[in-house]
Amino acid sequence: LAKTTQPISMDSYEGQEVNITCSHNNIATNDYITWYQQFPSQGPRFIIQGYKTKVTNEVASLFIPADRKSSTLSLPRVSLSDTAVYYCLVGVSGAGSYQLTFGKGTKLSVIP
Amino acid sequence: NAGVTQTPKFRILKIGQSMTLQCTQDMNHNYMYWYRQDPGMGLKLIYYSVGAGITDKGEVPNGYNVSRSTTEDFPLRLELAAPSQTSVYFCASGGDNEQFFGPGTRLTVL
Repeated sequence: LAKTTQPISMDSYEGQEVNITCSHNNIATNDYITWYQQFPSQGPRFIIQGYKTKVTNEVASLFIPADRKSSTLSLPRVSLSDTAVYYCLVGVSGAGSYQLTFGKGTKLSVIP
Repeated sequence: NAGVTQTPKFRILKIGQSMTLQCTQDMNHNYMYWYRQDPGMGLKLIYYSVGAGITDKGEVPNGYNVSRSTTEDFPLRLELAAPSQTSVYFCASGGDNEQFFGPGTRLTVL
């Protein structure tokens, strides 16, 4: 499984766009990049997944450069409720064909 | 749909006691997982199952056992509780692109 590296923590003011970058130099050809969000005392929740270029959904965007050795999760106009830990994971997609390896994640603190 | 449910929410065990953490999902997923999360850390995979009757070890299986007799249920068994097993335990089931997590069980071993 490819190892990922992301910042331990980030601070942002409400209303700003937040970009969290994840490094995954050893990503394999079949690997997808997935981001999860975890609030205190809750299980992680899926945010977004992508393979290359850009993916956007109702809560976030995921930017993946051509070499796929890194990716950036973009959260537009964050609010206090976006304060959470964000995990970047790399692995083969599909229900059972990958085992998620969670690092420590990035703790995002949104400041009023 | 209730999604993934776990019981109990909290439990305190004495060293050497045993217990079973229950996990049930109603999404008809074949894949199910057990993780533990220590304070300030990420999740570590304990065991997983790709379908009824099939289980396999994850990263940290020692001290735990699992069974999968039905698609819906995936209980985790601790036979001889140790302080090192104090943690929050999350069960998850796997869809096509994502895993769905339960609310967790907070276990303390004293």
